[in-house]
Amino acid sequence: GEEVAQTPKHLVRGEGQKAKLYCAPIKGHSYVFWYQQVLKNEFKFLISFQNENVFDETGMPKERFSAKCLPNSPCSLEIQATKLEDSAVYFCASSPWDRGVYGYTFGSGTRLTVV
Amino acid sequence: DAKTTQPPSMDCAEGRAANLPCNHSTISGNEYVYWYRQIHSQGPQYIIHGLKNNETNEMASLIITEDRKSSTLILPHATLRDTAVYYCIVRVMEYGNKLVFGAGTILRVKS
Repeated sequence: GEEVAQTPKHLVRGEGQKAKLYCAPIKGHSYVFWYQQVLKNEFKFLISFQNENVFDETGMPKERFSAKCLPNSPCSLEIQATKLEDSAVYFCASSPWDRGVYGYTFGSGTRLTVV
Repeated sequence: DAKTTQPPSMDCAEGRAANLPCNHSTISGNEYVYWYRQIHSQGPQYIIHGLKNNETNEMASLIITEDRKSSTLILPHATLRDTAVYYCIVRVMEYGNKLVFGAGTILRVKS
């Protein structure tokens, strides 16, 4: 399809619980990006993949956060032992294997609430 | 860190042109100017991009100054549905290169 599908739309976790978010990129797109939006306007880059390989993980918190993109499966972002500060909307984007001429396509996000 | 500066908010009357400025005084020769917007809490939406020349598509026009240190996004006839946060981003057009978002401009289109 021509959309980036993120599931679930909403996720509520108690502090210390695990959270797992999924992203199905547009078919044929080679790059996947994860962003975290904590406040209304501020996007933080977390990690990107080129197919199943980590491409750029400079924004990924060293502890508790991990991500994967496996063949024939949605990409996933997992947060172990969630904290209140992890409450945010997590966006996934994908782009084709070119220079991103037309930019990236973003999903509609997963809102994670840690209580 | 974001390499652009935008006003925090702007208002525009419905039907009028909305002109959103962006300062990118440290832009490099191989960096493009991209504009995205986020309507309500949806995912960011690509609008337009350019390197040196002015660009126009069905959504907007992009005017880049000759020295490339600033640009203006123009929505020619703003509608209520254009109310959104607009992000100006400079980026080297390379494979897999991430977008670095700044704070953006909240555009409120009013009837």
